[in-house]
Amino acid sequence: EAGVVQSPRYKIIEKKQPVAFWCNPISGHNTLYWYRQNLGQGPELLIRYENEEAVDDSQLPKDRFSAERLKGVDSTLKIQPAELGDSAVYLCASSLDWSSVYNEQFFGPGTRLTVL
Amino acid sequence: GQQVMQIPQYQHVQEGEDFTTYCNSSTTLSNIQWYKQRPGGHPVFLIQLVKSGEVKKQKRLTFQFGEAKKNSSLHITATQTTDVGTYFCAGSDSGTYKYIFGTGTRLKVLA
Repeated sequence: EAGVVQSPRYKIIEKKQPVAFWCNPISGHNTLYWYRQNLGQGPELLIRYENEEAVDDSQLPKDRFSAERLKGVDSTLKIQPAELGDSAVYLCASSLDWSSVYNEQFFGPGTRLTVL
Repeated sequence: GQQVMQIPQYQHVQEGEDFTTYCNSSTTLSNIQWYKQRPGGHPVFLIQLVKSGEVKKQKRLTFQFGEAKKNSSLHITATQTTDVGTYFCAGSDSGTYKYIFGTGTRLKVLA
C-alpha cells in the first residue's frame, strides 16, 4: 500500500512569489493534516481536515495561506505571497479517523521550501 | 496557550546506555502519542497512550502516561546506534482538542 505522497519534494522561490504543495493521503484515510516544521523544532499543525471539512485551521496564517481538500481525498496548501520566514518543511499526514480512540498519523516525506 | 515541553533537548549516550526523555504539557491531554524522526526524515508513529497511568512496552522501549495525563516519558534500555533521531511526544488538549507536538529530544548514540 502506498504511503502519503507529497510533491514537490523541494521548492526554491523568491519572496513575494506564490507556491503550492500537493498531498495525496493513504487511501481510506478520512483525516488529513498539514504541518510546518522549522529546523530543530517539532511539527506545528496548520490545518486539519475531516473529509472535505477544515475542522481546525486556527494556526493557519489566513492572510497568506490557504488550503483545500475539495473531494475529501487529496489536498493543496498554498502560500501567496511567500515571505522569508516561510522557509520550512511542510509535512502532510493522514489518519483513519480523528474521532477514533486510536489515531496513528502517517506522515509524507515533506516539501522543503526555501524562500530567497 | 497550551505548551508541550520535552527535556532534555539533546542527549548523547554511549551505545548500551539507557536513555529517557520526558514530556510535560501545560494542560491535560486526552491522549499522547510518540514519534521518532530520523535526521532528514519524517516523523514515524511509535505508540499511543490513552489511559491515566498507562504503561506500554515495545521491545527496548517503555512508554508511560502520567496519572494526571499531563506528562509522559519514553525510556530506551540499552541504546543502539539505530535509535539515533529526534523523539517527539504529541497530544490533544482534553478541553480544546488542539493537537500539539512537543519540542523534541534529539538522541545521539556513540558507538
